[in-house]
Amino acid sequence: DAGVTQSPTHLIKTRGQQVTLRCSPKSGHDTVSWYQQALGQGPQFIFQYYEEEERQRGNFPDRFSGHQFPNYSSELNVNALLLGDSALYLCASSFVGGSDNEQFFGPGTRLTVL
Amino acid sequence: AQSVTQLDSQVPVFEEAPVELRCNYSSSVSVYLFWYVQYPNQGLQLLLKYLSGSTLVKGINGFEAEFNKSQTSFHLRKPSVHISDTAEYFCAVSDRVYGNKLVFGAGTILRVKS
Repeated sequence: DAGVTQSPTHLIKTRGQQVTLRCSPKSGHDTVSWYQQALGQGPQFIFQYYEEEERQRGNFPDRFSGHQFPNYSSELNVNALLLGDSALYLCASSFVGGSDNEQFFGPGTRLTVL
Repeated sequence: AQSVTQLDSQVPVFEEAPVELRCNYSSSVSVYLFWYVQYPNQGLQLLLKYLSGSTLVKGINGFEAEFNKSQTSFHLRKPSVHISDTAEYFCAVSDRVYGNKLVFGAGTILRVKS
């Protein structure tokens, strides 16, 4: 059973560019959450998608947007990149009908903005 | 809103010694509690979780944690650590009432020395 997968593994962009990160949830999961982990910090919640709609959103600007597809996979888009967007971006999946609130994390995408 | 405070940024310990990583949380509603481990250049792996019931929770790799509601704490313990336990550990909470977004602490780096 494949767990949560993310692509690409690493990415280097320059300021002002746009980036798209991708996530495939664990089999049987229908909810995808995205987190940003800056160096030396804990992950920060960006947003969560369920039934192709944004269900919850953290304190991130509109430059951060997302999408969920009918197969439950998801994309995270960041426009007008800033140096401060350099971080590890983690995707987590879960099942909305689950009773334990557990989220399964992917290996992350390391984004470097120059 | 919830917040998590991990009281130690780094904990050095000798191999086979016991260890405790401290976590305190703040929330206006009931929460679920989690500990995750992150090895270098990897995603997050769930160690254990508290949902309800017994306040002593056992997890993987010999770790356990105790939920203390009066002190709003969820400290992680292991009676005898191994070199392979060297990693960063994150305490997290999620809202029981709405959604399952995780709020993380800043992390504690556990360094096990031989």
